[in-house]
Amino acid sequence: EAGVAQSPRYKIIEKRQSVAFWCNPISGHATLYWYQQILGQGPKLLIQFQNNGVVDDSQLPKDRFSAERLKGVDSTLKIQPAKLEDSAVYLCASSSRLDAYEQYFGPGTRLTVT
Amino acid sequence: GQQLNQSPQSMFIQEGEDVSMNCTSSSIFNTWLWYKQDPGEGPVLLIALYKAGELTSNGRLTAQFGITRKDSFLNISASIPSDVGIYFCAGPEYGNKLVFGAGTILRVKS
Repeated sequence: EAGVAQSPRYKIIEKRQSVAFWCNPISGHATLYWYQQILGQGPKLLIQFQNNGVVDDSQLPKDRFSAERLKGVDSTLKIQPAKLEDSAVYLCASSSRLDAYEQYFGPGTRLTVT
Repeated sequence: GQQLNQSPQSMFIQEGEDVSMNCTSSSIFNTWLWYKQDPGEGPVLLIALYKAGELTSNGRLTAQFGITRKDSFLNISASIPSDVGIYFCAGPEYGNKLVFGAGTILRVKS
């Protein structure tokens, strides 16, 4: 069974530029999550989707971050415009259903904002 | 939100030694999860615990769900070099939104 796929793996941009990350979850997983992991910390949830609907985006900085999962499968996370403090690893995870605690993570995208 | 405190922050041990780490919370959790993260990779689920007092093993790893439901422990027996990484505990804050600890960094001297 293929795992969670993410791209790109690395991205370097200047502040005020835009960036987008892509995630393809495990086949059949209805629930998809985006996390931000700052160096030295655990992952922090940004947004959670169930199929193509948002379940929780309470910690998403909506003035600059947006995410979508239009067809209920893959998802994109966008930052526009980026700030220095957005430098982090962005992890995508999926689980088989909304009430499943076991989440499976992709390899992440390491973003550096200069 | 809830916070999970992990200790120790880091460990540097000799290959073959046993390792113990723990995670505590100010609130009760109904589920505890332990993840391992290798450099440049996403966290990988090691063990999930669902019941207070539960003891679950996965190879050389053993995890326990504390009786108070406010803590959990992870033990690794006979450590090997590939055990190197960051170990995170996690629990559902509400719904199935997970909150993670800051991690325990494990280094192994061979």
